[in-house]
Amino acid sequence: AQSVTQLGSHVSVSEGALVLLRCNYSSSVPPYLFWYVQYPNQGLQLLLKYTTGATLVKGINGFEAEFKKSETSFHLTKPSAHMSDAAEYFCAVSEGFNKFYFGSGTKLNVKP
Amino acid sequence: EAQVTQNPRYLITVTGKKLTVTCSQNMNHEYMSWYRQDPGLGLRQIYYSMNVEVTDKGDVPEGYKVSRKEKRNFPLILESPSPNQTSLYFCASSLGTQKGPNHYGYTFGSGTRLTVV
Repeated sequence: AQSVTQLGSHVSVSEGALVLLRCNYSSSVPPYLFWYVQYPNQGLQLLLKYTTGATLVKGINGFEAEFKKSETSFHLTKPSAHMSDAAEYFCAVSEGFNKFYFGSGTKLNVKP
Repeated sequence: EAQVTQNPRYLITVTGKKLTVTCSQNMNHEYMSWYRQDPGLGLRQIYYSMNVEVTDKGDVPEGYKVSRKEKRNFPLILESPSPNQTSLYFCASSLGTQKGPNHYGYTFGSGTRLTVV
């Protein structure tokens, strides 16, 4: 089974600063990779996904992530944080036809 | 609007009292799934369904039942709830079984916060 590790359960940045949320996975076979965002009292929304092709994936709200096979990583970045980015972010990795593994989540706090 | 609708949003119940959490999607998705979310554990899959009348266990199925009599509905049933089933539950659906739901990603409902006392 896959394991998905999100480094840092809480990350705090200042408004306008770079956002970097880390995700590492255990698969030796290139999987599908996803980032989801969860705002308070809401369900998860898909931010971006990597299936095949270009390893730098752009998502909604200015976020992007880069698939690095050699590092088994899929870190999420945004050049300039906005207050509205405060939420919990989940990295997810697929395996096989329909197995889906989520990381434990990283809560992003944005300070004014 | 394309969405997954769960009801209720909040539920407090007592140990042993049967309950059902409903889930409905309006996107004609074939694949549906239930997850529970617990602090520090991320989301864990309870049951999933590839299509009508086709269901299978996920990673944490004990104490739960599901049914898929219609494509749009996928209720989660707790026959005899216990306090360790206190959690936040999410229903999700995905477009395809042709390439697999992993290819398309999932649409999630807004969640049901269940407390069993």
